[in-house]
Amino acid sequence: QKEVEQDPGPLSVPEGAIVSLNCTYSNSAFQYFMWYRQYSRKGPELLMYTYSSGNKEDGRFTAQVDKSSKYISLFIRDSQPSDSATYLCAMSRQGAQKLVFGQGTRLTINP
Amino acid sequence: SQTIHQWPATLVQPVGSPLSLECTVEGTSNPNLYWYRQAAGRGLQLLFYSVGIGQISSEVPQNLSASRPQDRQFILSSKKLLLSDSGFYLCAWSLVAGNSPLHFGNGTRLTVT
Repeated sequence: QKEVEQDPGPLSVPEGAIVSLNCTYSNSAFQYFMWYRQYSRKGPELLMYTYSSGNKEDGRFTAQVDKSSKYISLFIRDSQPSDSATYLCAMSRQGAQKLVFGQGTRLTINP
Repeated sequence: SQTIHQWPATLVQPVGSPLSLECTVEGTSNPNLYWYRQAAGRGLQLLFYSVGIGQISSEVPQNLSASRPQDRQFILSSKKLLLSDSGFYLCAWSLVAGNSPLHFGNGTRLTVT
């Protein structure tokens, strides 16, 4: 079993829809959670960084962490074609120098 | 602000040829540095990371090596490339304190022919 599971998709939704992207994990020691966006032929870009449980909002993006269920989510409101990309979740333990990444979900927003 | 530079953006090399990919970071001191490989449609595979000059940790035994000759310079090398070395190579940095997020360069797409 992988430490972090992420559905690779592809996921295709119409413009303006609310998008929900998810990751599950098995290591209860994970405390730091990140979401990255990667456009084709580019490096991943940090979108959200959260610690422990709870929600964090930044514009149209909301990151949610449920440590009791070992489940994290990224919500995108009012999705735009420019949101079309691969989204990767990542997480780490306290004091860790390395992140554990999900496989990434490929998302397409259709105009 | 911090920036990361990675070059070249694209590289086509024949099997058996050497490889040298370079990555530099500006605007921070003593960063942690990382090399990842991303195969088409697959996730990120950590190859090497470094917490200081001359300190290299290898994650996956393979045909590649890494070096950190200066504080903000990280080099990925191979003496003889294999077809299986083709992929998208990404350099990243983070603050030396644990649990800092990674910041990636724009990658090098390597095709070994």
